[in-house]
Amino acid sequence: DAEITQSPRHKITETGRQVTLACHQTWNHNNMFWYRQDLGHGLRLIHYSYGVHDTNKGEVSDGYSVSRSNTEDLPLTLESAASSQTSVYFCASSESVGGNIQYFGAGTRLSVL
Amino acid sequence: AQSVTQPDIHITVSEGASLELRCNYSYGATPYLFWYVQSPGQGLQLLLKYFSGDTLVQGIKGFEAEFKRSQSSFNLRKPSVHWSDAAEYFCAVGGWNTGNQFYFGTGTSLTVIP
Repeated sequence: DAEITQSPRHKITETGRQVTLACHQTWNHNNMFWYRQDLGHGLRLIHYSYGVHDTNKGEVSDGYSVSRSNTEDLPLTLESAASSQTSVYFCASSESVGGNIQYFGAGTRLSVL
Repeated sequence: AQSVTQPDIHITVSEGASLELRCNYSYGATPYLFWYVQSPGQGLQLLLKYFSGDTLVQGIKGFEAEFKRSQSSFNLRKPSVHWSDAAEYFCAVGGWNTGNQFYFGTGTSLTVIP
């Protein structure tokens, strides 16, 4: 069965370190998204990609970057982790049709100390 | 601007009672509307979606939702809640105006008491 997997599931890091969260999907979807989930804010879009070599900034992109070198993967990098980036991160993917269903990974819980 | 409002942060219902979770949206064109459920420590699972046609849509786990354009609402309902329905529920809006992006509400946490 097709799926979307995130790794690691849990990560603890220190302020100032670079951190990369992995997202891999086997749906062959063109669209991929990264969200962060914080209490009282729901899900907020960080970055998204509509295909290989395409990346776009979302609502809360400062301090984050992504790159898309193939269809399956969209890693999220925190260039210099800050305590404000402690959160739960979700990756999602969808087909190319506008407004189509997004399928979510299980999430990565990141703590920045 | 696109936005989604879920006015109820937390709801508590008794097992077997009916449930309605509210969702209001702001969107500049015909919206696509979704309800997702998140169990503790899990990702989001799609409950149901509305794209067009019949305004009452059926989803998984016995849930349904009704799209009311005049009220800009897409409320989620279930006639009889089960203890396993305790979770966080998110409403989302997307569509051609926003490409493939979704806008999520802040979620409603559901507690089910015996």
